[in-house]
Amino acid sequence: LAKTTQPISMDSYEGQEVNITCSHNNIATNDYITWYQQFPSQGPRFIIQGYKTKVTNEVASLFIPADRKSSTLSLPRVSLSDTAVYYCLVAGATNKLIFGTGTLLAVQP
Amino acid sequence: DAGVTQSPTHLIKTRGQQVTLRCSPKSGHDTVSWYQQALGQGPQFIFQYYEEEERQRGNFPDRFSGHQFPNYSSELNVNALLLGDSALYLCASSPTGFEADTQYFGPGTRLTVL
Repeated sequence: LAKTTQPISMDSYEGQEVNITCSHNNIATNDYITWYQQFPSQGPRFIIQGYKTKVTNEVASLFIPADRKSSTLSLPRVSLSDTAVYYCLVAGATNKLIFGTGTLLAVQP
Repeated sequence: DAGVTQSPTHLIKTRGQQVTLRCSPKSGHDTVSWYQQALGQGPQFIFQYYEEEERQRGNFPDRFSGHQFPNYSSELNVNALLLGDSALYLCASSPTGFEADTQYFGPGTRLTVL
């Protein structure tokens, strides 16, 4: 049973900022929040990981409120190549990753 | 620095046969996990190996077995193949000793069972 809930799909246009929100009401104290991106017939690619507040790297930002029951992945100025499935997961050290069905992001020109 | 590698890329087998898939973890990683991804679904956890032993296992039958070698590489074996075993098999590696389990995935092996 997936421990997270996220929208099944989202549509966007090139150049826009995209925010994908994930709900994880039962997150444990030692759980981290991790987002992966997956293209068809490829392995998931690690995007970003955080525990609380805000994390930013060269491709995305992750916003986590104080209660940690949700998180938002922000993709700035998306392009067609960002069309993919995005997975939100919560896990602690050495835990198995439980994937849901993810969010299919479709970026249009 | 090579990432996670898997072989073969594609494989076609018939029902009842046995298959072995291979995985080399990312440099510096000692934990290997295997996942099965059916078309249109998220990856499903099969099992995880650490120090050459199975540490965790998902809800998969005993037909699925594995092994980890001293160099941390790993194999996934599936016996008595069924049509439903057709899927993308993913290997992921991670280091131990950290608070967060950041797993890095390989490109996968596409298994087709006819």
